Amino acid sequence: EAGVTQSPTHLIKTRGQQATLRCSPISGHTSVYWYQQALGLGLQFLLWYDEGEERNRGNFPPRFSGRQFPNYSSELNVNALELEDSALYLCASSSSRTSGSTDTQYFGPGTRLTVL
Amino acid sequence: AQSVTQPDIHITVSEGASLELRCNYSYGATPYLFWYVQSPGQGLQLLLKYFSGDTLVQGIKGFEAEFKRSQSSFNLRKPSVHWSDAAEYFCAVGALALTGGGNKLTFGTGTQLKVEL
Repeated sequence: EAGVTQSPTHLIKTRGQQATLRCSPISGHTSVYWYQQALGLGLQFLLWYDEGEERNRGNFPPRFSGRQFPNYSSELNVNALELEDSALYLCASSSSRTSGSTDTQYFGPGTRLTVL
Repeated sequence: AQSVTQPDIHITVSEGASLELRCNYSYGATPYLFWYVQSPGQGLQLLLKYFSGDTLVQGIKGFEAEFKRSQSSFNLRKPSVHWSDAAEYFCAVGALALTGGGNKLTFGTGTQLKVEL
C-alpha cells in the first residue's frame, strides 16, 4: 500500500512569489493535515482538511491557504512568499475524524521550500 | 491548550546501550500520545502510539513507551540501541476533534539521538 506522497520534493522561489505544494493521502484516508517544520521553530500545525472542508487552522497568516479535492488530495498555497517561509512542509493523512473516533496521522516525506 | 516538553535536545549513547528519551505533556483530558522518528531530510515515521488501555506500549524497531498519568510523562525506551537508530525523535499529543481543539498534533521540540560505535 502506498504511503502519503508529496510533490515537489524541493521548491525554490523568490520573495513575493507564490508556492503550491501537493499531497496525496493514503488510499482510504479522507483527512489531510499540513505542518511546517522551520529551523528553530519546530513542527507547527498549519491546516486540517477533512471531507473537502477546512476543519482547523493553526496560527498562520491568511496567505497560507489550501484546499482538498474530491479525491482527497490536497494543495497548500503560500502567497507573497517571505524569507521566513523557508521550511520543510509535511503533509499527513488519517481516517476521517468526523466520526469522533481516534486515529493516527501518517506523514509524507515533505517538500523543502526555499525562499531566496 | 496542550503542550509537550522534551527536555533533552541532544543525547549520545553507545551502540548496545539502553536508551530513554523523556517526554512530558500538558493536556486537560485523556491524551493521545505518539512518538515519531525523523531521519535527516525525511518525513516522520510513527514509532508507537497510546490511546487507552495498557500503559506500556510496544512499537516498531524494538521501541516501547510507558504512559504515566501521575507524572504526565510518556518516555520512550529501547533496551539496546543500534547505530541505525541515530535520528531525531519527536513526542506529540493529539486532541480528539469533538473536544473543539481540532484534530491537530502538538509536537515537542525533538531530541537528537547520536549513537557512538
